[in-house]
This record gives sequence, structure tokens and C-alpha cells, in this order.
Amino acid sequence: EVQLSESGGTLAQPGGSLRLSCAASGFTFSGYAMSWVRQTPGKGLEWVSDIVGSGDTYYADSVKGRFTISRDTSRDTLFLQMNSLRVADTGIYYCAKGACLSSICYHDFWGQGTLVTVSS
Amino acid sequence: QSALTQPASVSGSPGQSITISCTGTNSDIGGYNYVSWYQQHPGKAPKVMIYYVTNRPSGVSHRFSGSRSGNTASLTISGLQAEDEADYYCSSYTTFATWVFGGGTKLTVL
Repeated sequence: EVQLSESGGTLAQPGGSLRLSCAASGFTFSGYAMSWVRQTPGKGLEWVSDIVGSGDTYYADSVKGRFTISRDTSRDTLFLQMNSLRVADTGIYYCAKGACLSSICYHDFWGQGTLVTVSS
Repeated sequence: QSALTQPASVSGSPGQSITISCTGTNSDIGGYNYVSWYQQHPGKAPKVMIYYVTNRPSGVSHRFSGSRSGNTASLTISGLQAEDEADYYCSSYTTFATWVFGGGTKLTVL
């Protein structure tokens, strides 16, 4: 059974940093692309970043240069390093598994999310 | 990259059919078969209902179907049931090697 469990969300100050983690199990983590998707309060879903099978990374313009996606295949864990945080980064952050071996294609499993609040 | 355009809300009575539209451009919906739909109940994670425009994952009811015409994708739910009441989001890959979601549609079963 595929399981994704996010952690690391908390209250942070504008300009601060956070590191989110997503522990994966139930599939061959190293073989699949993974994403971070966020949901702002009362609003919809927003794609944040991908890391694909080759290790290539992709970012939304809103986070490019501030966020870094990475993974540790020895620990089956996905990370999102968030720097220079803004109030607009507030939301629930989901990690989601890509359905294809080397790219996303679509997101077939999602974690339960971790809440990030950026406020002074 | 602008969000895909969905109606904010739709409603229907049990047993009826409804359709949710999702409009993009030829740089996303019109240009790729990576169009998917997600269902989200309050406080829960999204769940994929349709992928590759028309495909239904195993375990998803046959009452859910997807289609596309030009730059607009659609999700149709037939035989509405109370449990279908949820938010629905469309998603597409884009020319810019990014992903874009729709703003979401709240489905109310009357």
C-alpha cells in the first residue's frame, strides 16, 4: 500500500526558512517522480515543484529561487527547503506521487498534508 | 502560468448528471493528453478520478467520465449520489514543463 506522510509544517516568520519532509513507503521511491502541491486557505490547489526520475527539478515561478526540492532515496524521503518565506506561502503542503516511472503524468497518490503558516 | 478556468460551483439532484468544464489554452489542455481530475472532500487529500483526459483509475465509479474538446476538458458525473458532494479540480501539464490546476468547483448534491 502506497503511503506518503508529510511533516515539518509550522509557524514561521516572513523571511524565515522551513524544511518539509515526506516519508514514502509501499513503492520503489527512486523510480518515480514526486511533487509538492500546496493549497492556500479557502482556495484551490497550486503546483509548487517536481523532481523526476533523472533528478531534474522544476519549480513554479512563484517559488523559483526560494524553494529547493530534493530527495534521499536511501531513506525514501522527499524534501522541500523553503527560504525567504512570504505570507503568501501560507497553506497546506501536500507531497504527491507521479504515476509514471520518469515523469509525473498525473498524481496517483497524495499525502495528508502539512500546514505552513507564515506570519509575524 | 494562469490557473485553468472552472465554474466556482455546480449543483444537481440525486440521480441527475452534471458536467464541470475546465478551460485552458493550447499550451496546456489543448496541447497535451496529461489532463486529470481530482476529487477533494473537506479536510481530506485530493483523489484522482480521471487521468489522460478520459481514463478512470481502478476503483473509481463508472459514473465518472472525462472528455475534451479543443482547449476545454470536462468531467461528467452521472447518477449523482450524496457522496459525490465535494470539490473538483482539473489539472494539466504545460508547455513550460510545469503543472497547472483549475480554481476548483464545489459540487452540491441537492
